[in-house]
Amino acid sequence: DSGVTQTPKHLITATGQRVTLRCSPRSGDLSVYWYQQSLDQGLQFLIQYYNGEERAKGNILERFSAQQFPDLHSELNLSSLELGDSALYFCASAATDVYFSGNTIYFGEGSWLTVV
Amino acid sequence: AQSVAQPEDQVNVAEGNPLTVKCTYSVSGNPYLFWYVQYPNRGLQFLLKYITGDNLVKGSYGFEAEFNKSQTSFHLKKPSALVSDSALYFCAVRAYGDTGFQKLVFGTGTRLLVSP
Repeated sequence: DSGVTQTPKHLITATGQRVTLRCSPRSGDLSVYWYQQSLDQGLQFLIQYYNGEERAKGNILERFSAQQFPDLHSELNLSSLELGDSALYFCASAATDVYFSGNTIYFGEGSWLTVV
Repeated sequence: AQSVAQPEDQVNVAEGNPLTVKCTYSVSGNPYLFWYVQYPNRGLQFLLKYITGDNLVKGSYGFEAEFNKSQTSFHLKKPSALVSDSALYFCAVRAYGDTGFQKLVFGTGTRLLVSP
């Protein structure tokens, strides 16, 4: 158990709909990351937050957004869903986001999204 | 750009034999390297990391990895494979995000199959 909690574990929704994925980081971790894992594109970095502030953006679509709340939990919002958005979405956390720190990024078990 | 490559999509090994999963990296400066494992329908689990120090890094479940600067490699090894080691293994390198803060860049993954 990494200590990173993600809900829901599985979600099936229709095209055009909107869903929210939730993540609770490890206790004390200020940095939260979102990754997407799909068969054709592997593990792709989406976005990162640190202590409530957006720090880095990766391959995140404009239809997707995220935020980190004062209690440090994070939500990833996916809207106008398309079939191609079906994937496993991971949340991960780390104590800091300083490049030269030695801290490890720990991953949750992911949220499986199926768009039908 | 910082990246890692996993040249083998799949590695097959018999139980009890030693295993090696290969990873090469491309970074500017000193690399921070990681191995994660993904069991079926599970999240990414941290195995080990190289930040600095000894070139041989020991991790969870009896795995170890050897950092080789001259060959820019960070191969994952285990002296005696178990059937339960069968999983998807990811090598990752810590990279700068667009704003200078860290993120993990993953390889494409190597599926390890250990036969009884």
